[in-house]
Amino acid sequence: DIQLTQSPSSMSASLGDRVSLTCQSSQGIGNYLSWYQHKPGKPPKPMIYYATNLADGVPSRFSGSRSGSDYSLTISSLESEDTAIYYCLQYDEYPWTFGGGTKLELK
Amino acid sequence: EVQLVESGGGLVQPGRSLKLSCAASGFTFSNYYMAWVRQAPKKGLEWVATISTSGSRTYYPDSVKGRFTISRDNAKSSLYLQMNSLKSEDTATYYCARGHSYAQTGYFDYWGQGVMVTVSS
Repeated sequence: DIQLTQSPSSMSASLGDRVSLTCQSSQGIGNYLSWYQHKPGKPPKPMIYYATNLADGVPSRFSGSRSGSDYSLTISSLESEDTAIYYCLQYDEYPWTFGGGTKLELK
Repeated sequence: EVQLVESGGGLVQPGRSLKLSCAASGFTFSNYYMAWVRQAPKKGLEWVATISTSGSRTYYPDSVKGRFTISRDNAKSSLYLQMNSLKSEDTATYYCARGHSYAQTGYFDYWGQGVMVTVSS
């Protein structure tokens, strides 16, 4: 199975900071990676698909990128509403797998 | 407006069965791959099952293969998850999710609110 390793597992940042979350794949998955924002008591919210495409309604401060087998979700200027757990998901090969998540908090 | 509404959760004893349902509306259900994703308490997200538009192809991780069955009724715009031989580790919130498109079936663009399943004696 393809393993996705997210780093860091948790982090804190200040309002207005540029934040980058990383997801590393154990095998090549092309661009078949998506990102989800998950807040307690709510369903996951899609943020990025096909590695770099912004999901509908997602603010432009979010972006996705890829460098080899490393994928990043970047928030250009952190806002309070961005605090959540972020998960990556690979859908290149079954079984599809999620990363362990990165918990993002405000400093 | 796209809506996915899960039902059928609850408390069940280990080894017993439970069937979840997901009622879809606001889109042409038969045109989309559908999936179930779960989150155990204090754990991360786990993909559970995916079904093709016609229902002819289904996919599962090893953790549920042989115990869970995903199915759909396109005439009723409904998705199902039959869960047999339930174990305590199946305790989780189960989400119904829509695959965005044929080229992006693993990109889940809409999610239900989730339904809780507790497996305990």
